Amino acid sequence: DAGITQSPRYKITETGRQVTLMCHQTWSHSYMFWYRQDLGHGLRLIYYSAAADITDKGEVPDGYVVSRSKTENFPLTLESATRSQTSVYFCASSPGTSGLPQETQYFGPGTRLLVL
Amino acid sequence: KQEVTQIPAALSVPEGENLVLNCSFTDSAIYNLQWFRQDPGKGLTSLLLIQSSQREQTSGRLNASLDKSSGRSTLYIAASQPGDSATYLCAAHNYGQNFVFGPGTRLSVLP
Repeated sequence: DAGITQSPRYKITETGRQVTLMCHQTWSHSYMFWYRQDLGHGLRLIYYSAAADITDKGEVPDGYVVSRSKTENFPLTLESATRSQTSVYFCASSPGTSGLPQETQYFGPGTRLLVL
Repeated sequence: KQEVTQIPAALSVPEGENLVLNCSFTDSAIYNLQWFRQDPGKGLTSLLLIQSSQREQTSGRLNASLDKSSGRSTLYIAASQPGDSATYLCAAHNYGQNFVFGPGTRLSVLP
């Protein structure tokens, strides 16, 4: 399927477990982003990537790890899940044709994560 | 640090009304500002992107304006329809920074 996809769409896990959320885009966009959306906080940037093997922290990176070995994939790993990481996670991509990330972003459908 | 607010938090209007959603930002040195729509349980869909050099953008019944000097953007929806019901978010992009999103305005258009 063309576009940007996320898997799983729903995930329940327990405190202390490692969880990986997957993001895949078919446009060969340079930039990819991970956000979390919480009531009262809106959308907050966790990590972003300007290209394969280039990643950088966003506003709330603690407790998360990312990698980008291929342009089309940008997995987000919660190394030891905590209840405060219960949230809806969105992946997004942007062409970055101007060399800047501040262009139209295209969002995936989200992953709802519940940490018990 | 850029901060983005949106007023009102929620809005309910009868079908056919014209309406305005507001977005305010604290740092006027923005590169562009984007409006998104989010349906319940779904991701965000880009509606309009206004570059810092532009004053407005239009797409169908939607018109977004940008006033950097006052730190404001408005989204105007003409002849609202029940299908317009969703949450509308704005996001400000500053030079050297990433998107900063507002909390959103939840719109309900009643038939």
